[in-house]
Amino acid sequence: AQSVTQLDSQVPVFEEAPVELRCNYSSSVSVYLFWYVQYPNQGLQLLLKYLSGSTLVKGINGFEAEFNKSQTSFHLRKPSVHISDTAEYFCAVSRRKNRDDKIIFGKGTRLHILP
Amino acid sequence: GAVVSQHPSRVICKSGTSVKIECRSLDFQATTMFWYRQFPKKSLMLMATSNEGSKATYEQGVEKDKFLINHASLTLSTLTVTSAHPEDSSFYICSARGANSPLHFGNGTRLTVT
Repeated sequence: AQSVTQLDSQVPVFEEAPVELRCNYSSSVSVYLFWYVQYPNQGLQLLLKYLSGSTLVKGINGFEAEFNKSQTSFHLRKPSVHISDTAEYFCAVSRRKNRDDKIIFGKGTRLHILP
Repeated sequence: GAVVSQHPSRVICKSGTSVKIECRSLDFQATTMFWYRQFPKKSLMLMATSNEGSKATYEQGVEKDKFLINHASLTLSTLTVTSAHPEDSSFYICSARGANSPLHFGNGTRLTVT
């Protein structure tokens, strides 16, 4: 079975500062990896995904993530955050074997931007 | 682009009644739909996976008779919370995927059972 660990439940950071949200996964098979963002009382929006190829993945809103197979990590980064980035961020994984497979989510990290 | 519409966005019901939540894919055929439940300050818990025309596959610990899922067409799946109780209060989110469409999420339904 697959699992996702987001070690930080909350990350406070000053506006215009860089941020890294950590994500580690566990799986016995190859996986696809995702980061989603959720704004209050809304559904999830895909930020970026890693399917194959380059391990550095660029997404929307200036976010990027790097897949590190040896460390089983997929940390999300942004060089300069904005107040509008305040949201809940979820790392997720699904089995590579079947692209229609279910997606398993981490517990989420709340990004709190300080003015 | 592809959009998934979830209705209603908020619903308040009395204990013992049933509530139906709809999830529609607006411009693609959703061969697979997923239903999630999100507890406050916690992750999304997958409840079930439904494929059009077949019975839903429920995750371990999810009561099939409590949470009825119907995926009768390629654009509509419904989740019915039967005989709702206050502990069923939660945020329910659906997602849908088509043969040539990536996964899209609905905006969720806030259920409050009084």
